[in-house]
Amino acid sequence: NAGVTQTPKFQVLKTGQSMTLQCAQDMNHNSMYWYRQDPGMGLRLIYYSASEGTTDKGEVPNGYNVSRLNKREFSLRLESAAPSQTSVYFCASSGTGSNQPQHFGDGTRLSIL
Amino acid sequence: QQPVQSPQAVILREGEDAVINCSSSKALYSVHWYRQKHGEAPVFLMILLKGGEQKGHEKISASFNEKKQQSSLYLTASQLSYSGTYFCGTKTSGTYKYIFGTGTRLKVLA
Repeated sequence: NAGVTQTPKFQVLKTGQSMTLQCAQDMNHNSMYWYRQDPGMGLRLIYYSASEGTTDKGEVPNGYNVSRLNKREFSLRLESAAPSQTSVYFCASSGTGSNQPQHFGDGTRLSIL
Repeated sequence: QQPVQSPQAVILREGEDAVINCSSSKALYSVHWYRQKHGEAPVFLMILLKGGEQKGHEKISASFNEKKQQSSLYLTASQLSYSGTYFCGTKTSGTYKYIFGTGTRLKVLA
C-alpha cells in the first residue's frame, strides 16, 4: 500500500533557486495538504486543497505556490528559495468529513544554503 | 491560531501515567491525536467527536470537552514505545483547513 508518496526525499538548494516538491496519494482522498516542520517545532499549514481544482492558503503561504494537478497529485513550488525555507515538508491527504484523519507522506528534507 | 498543548515536554519512567492537554481558542467539532517519532511522519492515534470519548489503544485514551474547547490524551502505564511528540489536530469549523497543536514531547525512560 503506497498511501501518500513524496518526492524527492532530500534536496539541497542554493538561495534563489526554484524547485517543485511532488506529492501523490492513491487513497481516493479529496483533500490534500502541505505542511512544514522546522527542527523541534510543530507542523504549520502552508496550503491546502479541499478538492480537485481548489486551493487555499494556510498559516504560512508566503514564498510558496501550489498546484492541484488532479485528484491524486498536489505539488508545492518554491519560486526563489530562501534559507528561512529550510525545513521538512510533509504532504498529507484526508477523506471528506471532520472525522477523517490526516495520512502523511514520509516528508522531504530541504536545505537551502 | 494553533491550539495550545500542555505541557510542552514531559519525562516519565516506564509504568507511569501522563496527561497531555490541547486547548483551542476556536470551537472544536472534532479532535484528532497523532504521535510522531523522531525523523518520521506523524501517525494517527485516535479521533474524538463532539460529545464523545474515544478509546483508541489499550492504554491510551482521550476525552473531549467541547464547552471548554479542550481535549486531553491519557497515557497509562507508559511504555518505552510511547516516546515521541504528540500533536492534537483539528479542522477549522466550516472549512477544510486543518491545523495542529503546538506539540508535547514525551520521553519514557527505563
